[in-house]
Amino acid sequence: GNSVTQMEGPVTLSEEAFLTINCTYTATGYPSLFWYVQYPGEGLQLLLKATKADDKGSNKGFEATYRKETTSFHLEKGSVQVSDSAVYFCALHPSTQKLVFGQGTRLTINP
Amino acid sequence: GAGVSQSPSNKVTEKGKDVELRCDPISGHTALYWYRQSLGQGLEFLIYFQGNSAPDKSGLPSDRFSAERTGGSVSTLTIQRTQQEDSAVYLCASSPGQGLGTDTQYFGPGTRLTVL
Repeated sequence: GNSVTQMEGPVTLSEEAFLTINCTYTATGYPSLFWYVQYPGEGLQLLLKATKADDKGSNKGFEATYRKETTSFHLEKGSVQVSDSAVYFCALHPSTQKLVFGQGTRLTINP
Repeated sequence: GAGVSQSPSNKVTEKGKDVELRCDPISGHTALYWYRQSLGQGLEFLIYFQGNSAPDKSGLPSDRFSAERTGGSVSTLTIQRTQQEDSAVYLCASSPGQGLGTDTQYFGPGTRLTVL
């Protein structure tokens, strides 16, 4: 079946630190991969996506590369800010159209 | 244009009562989804509507849950005889429905349901 495993949180970093949130998946076929972000008190927002192997999604300084050989889609940012504090969800979108989410990783950035 | 809207934003009800949650998708989006976000279960798929096709109800947890989509637009999720374990944030999403697997789903702010 389809599943997503995310790095467990919470993750706490200092401002300007390097961020990696690991995400691996199990899927049949060739799903699209997404990172969604949920800021405090707000709804889920798409952060970035990649629709095929070796694609790199990027937005707001965040990047993730679709690695078929390692079934991974790790989220990275070179220098985090306090405003990046949120919960991050990795998700895969197989052809069945339902999003399958990871458990979420809570990120806190301290000034 | 406007995003996905949901109402009410918060709902507190007593165990055993019925509740209705409403979702207004983005205009022109043919696909509509309901998910549930709860502490113990994370984000779970509930039901999916695509145009005039029969909905995919495979994620509904019990027959107390049902959903309708009228006129291909607004959707209502109904929970009958609510239980405390139904307490969660119910999220609605819509997408253009133009491509399998590549569509981006746009989420509403959610309805926080609390069953006392």
